[in-house]
Amino acid sequence: EADIYQTPRYLVIGTGKKITLECSQTMGHDKMYWYQQDPGMELHLIHYSYGVNSTEKGDLSSESTVSRIRTEHFPLTLESARPSHTSQYLCASSESRTGGGNQPQHFGDGTRLSIL
Amino acid sequence: DAKTTQPPSMDCAEGRAANLPCNHSTISGNEYVYWYRQIHSQGPQYIIHGLKNNETNEMASLIITEDRKSSTLILPHATLRDTAVYYCIVLSTGANSKLTFGKGITLSVRP
Repeated sequence: EADIYQTPRYLVIGTGKKITLECSQTMGHDKMYWYQQDPGMELHLIHYSYGVNSTEKGDLSSESTVSRIRTEHFPLTLESARPSHTSQYLCASSESRTGGGNQPQHFGDGTRLSIL
Repeated sequence: DAKTTQPPSMDCAEGRAANLPCNHSTISGNEYVYWYRQIHSQGPQYIIHGLKNNETNEMASLIITEDRKSSTLILPHATLRDTAVYYCIVLSTGANSKLTFGKGITLSVRP
């Protein structure tokens, strides 16, 4: 089973606060991803990284930012949280492709974020 | 990447086989079919993927039609814990390809 961890699992916080959602994986995967999912809705890719010092924006525009200083760590930051940021945030990682299709993504259990 | 079409929901009895269909009529030669599932309140879980041959692992079997325009995920002996949303995704082999999750199919396994 994949080892990818997200903290906190749940966060309720007031408007205007700076928030950092943590994501760590112990598998040495080069690729890491952040998805956003509202209840009962589809997952949308908001950020991804193909290695240290590499970050890209995903398909869905997001006011969050990410960094990738270490292979195993891919934190997501909201500088000033707003109620519109309320959602579930899911982190994933995968190995670089070695043939036979892209390697599967392994997901954490997500952070449920509520901004009051 | 090609688009997929799945029915919104289906159910099956516990212990019976669950056959989940997926249409991907615009799939191209370098695109694989991937299946993930998401159990309520958890992150998605990879199940299986294939190109054109049928595939089987400890979780499921994937049957891809000869023209590759559709596929079926088979859970041979469904349990209550298999109740989840199942996503069929087509993805090219390009190193920069990214998963695009649709609405999936909600499988309900009844006792």
